[in-house]
Amino acid sequence: GAGVSQTPSNKVTEKGKYVELRCDPISGHTALYWYRQSLGQGPEFLIYFQGTGAADDSGLPNDRFFAVRPEGSVSTLKIQRTERGDSAVYLCASSSGTGPSGANVLTFGAGSRLTVL
Amino acid sequence: GESVGLHLPTLSVQEGDNSIINCAYSNSASDYFIWYKQESGKGPQFIIDIRSNMDKRQGQRVTVLLNKTVKHLSLQIAATQPGDSAVYFCAENSGGSYIPTFGRGTSLIVHP
Repeated sequence: GAGVSQTPSNKVTEKGKYVELRCDPISGHTALYWYRQSLGQGPEFLIYFQGTGAADDSGLPNDRFFAVRPEGSVSTLKIQRTERGDSAVYLCASSSGTGPSGANVLTFGAGSRLTVL
Repeated sequence: GESVGLHLPTLSVQEGDNSIINCAYSNSASDYFIWYKQESGKGPQFIIDIRSNMDKRQGQRVTVLLNKTVKHLSLQIAATQPGDSAVYFCAENSGGSYIPTFGRGTSLIVHP
């Protein structure tokens, strides 16, 4: 697609429920990232995929968070037993691997705003 | 809607003025830096980048300066326009990592 697409744009759920957030990256981008952004803060890294595999998941806060990218394109971030502290904007980004200075530039989606009541 | 700029450092300027947004980093191994612009309700958008072997890089109306001695990065925007109003983040990569680490951000408000 022309850009990174994220759905839903807004999700309101109750504490303890399960949610899935979807990311459709730019076609051909092998690298995919999930970040979380709380109000007044910069994006915080969660997980990075290179192709189908999670190359780095060190940012996932605990085992309630999981992400998949089974065919190396669309990715789903899954959150189990949601807590009020999970409320944030979840950003997805993809990259082709090189930018003007020869290094990594990310293209972000608009984000999925999650509110846990 | 909700403001991404809430609680952030804020810079207010008049339209037409030059703006300077600063960023300090702590990792001496950082070797690649990017400035992103984030408008309300949108994801961060690439503005300009610089490698650690450079001190200065210019784009269209924007200049990034890097001072590795004091671990400081700045973004200069010439002739600031109302459309430049947004939150600006610096991000850094280190040691060949593909994972940028973002700073806290600065909210730029441009008054017509």
